[in-house]
This record gives sequence, C-alpha cells and structure tokens, in this order.
Amino acid sequence: DAGVIQSPRHEVTEMGQEVTLRCKPISGHNSLFWYRQTMMRGLELLIYFNNNVPIDDSGMPEDRFSAKMPNASFSTLKIQPSEPRDSAVYFCASSLGAGVPYEQYFGPGTRLTVT
Amino acid sequence: AQSVTQLGSHVSVSEGALVLLRCNYSSSVPPYLFWYVQYPNQGLQLLLKYTSAATLVKGINGFEAEFKKSETSFHLTKPSAHMSDAAEYFCAVSSMNSGYSTLTFGKGTMLLVSP
Repeated sequence: DAGVIQSPRHEVTEMGQEVTLRCKPISGHNSLFWYRQTMMRGLELLIYFNNNVPIDDSGMPEDRFSAKMPNASFSTLKIQPSEPRDSAVYFCASSLGAGVPYEQYFGPGTRLTVT
Repeated sequence: AQSVTQLGSHVSVSEGALVLLRCNYSSSVPPYLFWYVQYPNQGLQLLLKYTSAATLVKGINGFEAEFKKSETSFHLTKPSAHMSDAAEYFCAVSSMNSGYSTLTFGKGTMLLVSP
C-alpha cells in the first residue's frame, strides 16, 4: 500500500489567499484525522471523520478552517482566508476503525507558509 | 480527560549508550498507549503500542517500553543508541469520546545522538 498520501508537500501563499490541502487515506481505513503541528503548540487534532462523516471539529481553530470528506478515498482541509499564524505542518492520518484504539497512520505532511 | 506528559524536550546520548525517554499518562480508564517517531520532514511512524496485554512491549528498531500502572508511566528504552535513532519521539494515549477513538499526543522529545 502507498500509505497516506498528502498534497501538496509544500505550499507558500500570501495572506488572504485560499489554501486547500488534500489527503488520500489508506484503502480500507474508515477513520481520518487532520492535525496541525507547530513548535509552540505541538501536535493538535483539528477534526476527524468516521465513514466520511465529521465526528468532532472542536479542534478547528476558526471559521476560516473547513474540512470535507466527499468519499472514502479523499479529504480536503481548506483555509480561507489564510493568515501568517496558520503557517504550520498539516498532517492527515487514517486508521482502521473507530470504536477500538487502532493505531493511526500518518501522511508525510504539508508544510504551509503564509506570508 | 486523558493526557500525556513527556519529561524533557531534548535528550542527548552518545552512540552506543542507553536511550531512555520518559512518558507519564493520566487516564480515567485503562489506557491504550503508543510511541511514535518522527524523522525530519516526515510524518509520524508507529514504534510500538500497549493494548492491555503484556506490560513490556517490543517495537521496531530495537525499542521497547514498559507499562507501569502504579507509576502511570510508559517509558521508552533502547539498550544501545545508533546515529539513525536521532529523531523526535511522541508518546500518545488513546481517548474514547462517544464511541470514537482519538489520540492525545505529548509535546515530543527530541533525541540527539552524538558519535
């Protein structure tokens, strides 16, 4: 299996622009997680889905952030408008199930820089 | 709520020396615990997990961790450090919310290995 795939790997954008990050989970996994990693705050869970349905988005920092999962093999995280404080590495992870603490498999991340 | 504390943001060892990375957890229920490793510019990779079976858990790359309920600890060890072990290590505890499992990560410990 190719593992979790994220694109782009790097994104540089100007403040105010829309940013869309993409994720393809491991085939057969039914839970998907979006995280943000910064030096100051460490690894933060933003939102997670089970069977394509958002379960908990309480970690999404502001209304500027939104996430979708239109099908089992694709998810997006959108920031509109972007701000310099959104600069971070964004990870997508997937796992096999929901009711049991299965390990999560992480993608390589998208490094976002907002100038 | 479950939480994890990793003592020491940086640990330095010499090649061949014992590696000890500390993790203490707080959980209201029997925990599932994980150690992940993150190499530069990569996503997190599972090292090992504790799921209430054997208290001594062996993982990849010669790492192991021991679950000690009385000390609420899950420290990670390796008898002899290699240069390739230099990375950031994260301890995580599983949380169940409304039937769904998420991971709460510690702040991470950067392992530095010198020749």
